[in-house]
Amino acid sequence: AQKITQTQPGMFVQEKEAVTLDCTYDTSDQSYGLFWYKQPSSGEMIFLIYQGSYDEQNATEGRYSLNFQKARKSANLVISASQLGDSAMYFCAMRERSSGSARQLTFGSGTQLTVLP
Amino acid sequence: DAMVIQNPRYQVTQFGKPVTLSCSQTLNHNVMYWYQQKSSQAPKLLFHYYDKDFNNEADTPDNFQSRRPNTSFCFLDIRSPGLGDAAMYLCATSITTIPGSNQPQHFGDGTRLSIL
Repeated sequence: AQKITQTQPGMFVQEKEAVTLDCTYDTSDQSYGLFWYKQPSSGEMIFLIYQGSYDEQNATEGRYSLNFQKARKSANLVISASQLGDSAMYFCAMRERSSGSARQLTFGSGTQLTVLP
Repeated sequence: DAMVIQNPRYQVTQFGKPVTLSCSQTLNHNVMYWYQQKSSQAPKLLFHYYDKDFNNEADTPDNFQSRRPNTSFCFLDIRSPGLGDAAMYLCATSITTIPGSNQPQHFGDGTRLSIL
């Protein structure tokens, strides 16, 4: 079974609108962390936001927020007021306690977001 | 700024000709990772170093090797590149933390490898 599932291969959003990128995960660990990364066409992976499994509040970082629904095992990324520079591939990733001391990440397949002017 | 640096940004090599990609970090993180990422796919972990301990993923081809001479540097060696090895190679670092810590992996800008 996939540990991280991103069901939207591609998304379009109008500039200045909000957009939600979906992510569901599968783990039997009680302690885990969820990350979102942005990858522009130039290739670098940029860390956006983090949500810990024990965090009671949804994470927020500027225009990025995470809609964390633990019972549903979902961690959707919400981008408010989209900008043209937000056009990129977005990856959801998980780090589990059982991944060992090196804390490997498991990535989803990504969502290509295109912001339209 | 502390960072992860990969050189070169673009690398072209010939089929079968050994190639080395390099990664350095100023973060003093004890874990370094190498990922392979093919077009429109998620990064795939090849191996990682936990300090000096090398950990190979089960499905990483023998053609791929790595060296970490010190904390700051890590190299990816491809002994006999095939056309299927053309990809973006990403280096990342992290510190060992409790699982719930918010410390992310820090990535370099990647090296895009082309095989002629």
